[in-house]
Amino acid sequence: QVQLVESGGGLVKPGESLRLSCAASRFTFSDYYMSWIRQAPGKGLEWVSSISGSGSTIKYADSVKGRFTISRDNAKSSLFLQMNSLRAEDTAVYYCARGGFSRFEEWGQGTLVTVSS
Amino acid sequence: QSALTQPASVSGSPGQSITISCTGTSSDVGGYKDVSWYQQHPGKAPKLMIYDVSNRPSGVSNRFSGSKSGNTASLTISGLQAEDEADYYCSSHISINTPWVFGGGTKLTVL
Repeated sequence: QVQLVESGGGLVKPGESLRLSCAASRFTFSDYYMSWIRQAPGKGLEWVSSISGSGSTIKYADSVKGRFTISRDNAKSSLFLQMNSLRAEDTAVYYCARGGFSRFEEWGQGTLVTVSS
Repeated sequence: QSALTQPASVSGSPGQSITISCTGTSSDVGGYKDVSWYQQHPGKAPKLMIYDVSNRPSGVSNRFSGSKSGNTASLTISGLQAEDEADYYCSSHISINTPWVFGGGTKLTVL
């Protein structure tokens, strides 16, 4: 069974940075697009970013473009999200998901990021 | 990009059928086959229920079905069960540069 485990969330102040990680297992990681999707407290889902299996194709939502960077380490089956210049509106549970080319097939349990002074 | 439009809530009794709509434009729902549906129970991660408009992943009950007409996609749940009570989100491909948009979500209550 596919496993996706996020880590790295926490409480930070506006303007600070945070790096999220997602450890993947039980599938051939490099064969799949991977994505980050977030959900603000009590709100709906918002796509954040996706990266192709090779890392050659990367897309960002307009709301995070220029501040967030998605990356992956296929040798370690890991996905990352570097988040800089964090804002209060970035407060959300961040989900790692397998997919992003045609659908989001599997999801991790999420990690909470809180941006507050 | 604007979120796809879903009803905020729907309800039904056990055994009944319900349909949740997801309305977009010709630039998203109407223009692509990459429409999918996700179920989310409180405090849990979303789960893929339907992809490519009408396909079910392995392990998803055949009580769940999807369709599309023009710019509106629909999720139908037949034979409602208590465990179907959850939030449901649709998603569609939108463009090459900003690939994905979600609906605002629909809370399904099983009476």
